Amino acid sequence: GIQVEQSPPDLILQEGANSTLRCNFSDSVNNLQWFHQNPWGQLINLFYIPSGTKQNGRLSATTVATERYSLLYISSSQTTDSGVYFCAVPGRDDKIIFGKGTRLHILP
Amino acid sequence: ETGVTQSPTHLIKTRGQQVTLRCSSQSGHNTVSWYQQALGQGPQFIFQYYREEENGRGNFPPRFSGLQFPNYSSELNVNALELDDSALYLCASSLTTGSYGYTFGSGTRLTVV
Repeated sequence: GIQVEQSPPDLILQEGANSTLRCNFSDSVNNLQWFHQNPWGQLINLFYIPSGTKQNGRLSATTVATERYSLLYISSSQTTDSGVYFCAVPGRDDKIIFGKGTRLHILP
Repeated sequence: ETGVTQSPTHLIKTRGQQVTLRCSSQSGHNTVSWYQQALGQGPQFIFQYYREEENGRGNFPPRFSGLQFPNYSSELNVNALELDDSALYLCASSLTTGSYGYTFGSGTRLTVV
């Protein structure tokens, strides 16, 4: 089945810094999603981005489908950005497959 | 409009016991998907229910079973609990059976001792 790899696994930054999270996937996909898991465990969808670039406030994402990767950019990080960021793609039977995530710690 | 509610939030069980986890789907959603998230890992797909029928299953043994009710709420049952079943169990509801538009609950943290 399709493989999803995320890097880096952990990232510690000072408040105000910028960060780039990467997601590589092993096969062509017709969609890709980025999620943020908050400290209470809930997954919140950030972007649906099968290709191209989208922006939402301080967050933006770019997917290069032909090269099978996606990037999530976080600018001017805040402590509330801390948590785990997951990349997810449709797998067999169109069910979501998640990567292992990037754990982001923003220090005040 | 209420979101997805899961109960209980935390649970401790003994190896060999059985457990039932519950999920109330978001209003208007007819599809529920269950995921297991081990510590430090991404969520793994267990199964999906659409209009009370199982609609896809991941690589989990038969002791993981589920149910969906006419109001589209759902249960996840795990028999003969093993230590490796300790995880966060996430439920997501959606309007379709595809990979779009999932609303996730906050999960049930199951610890097997």
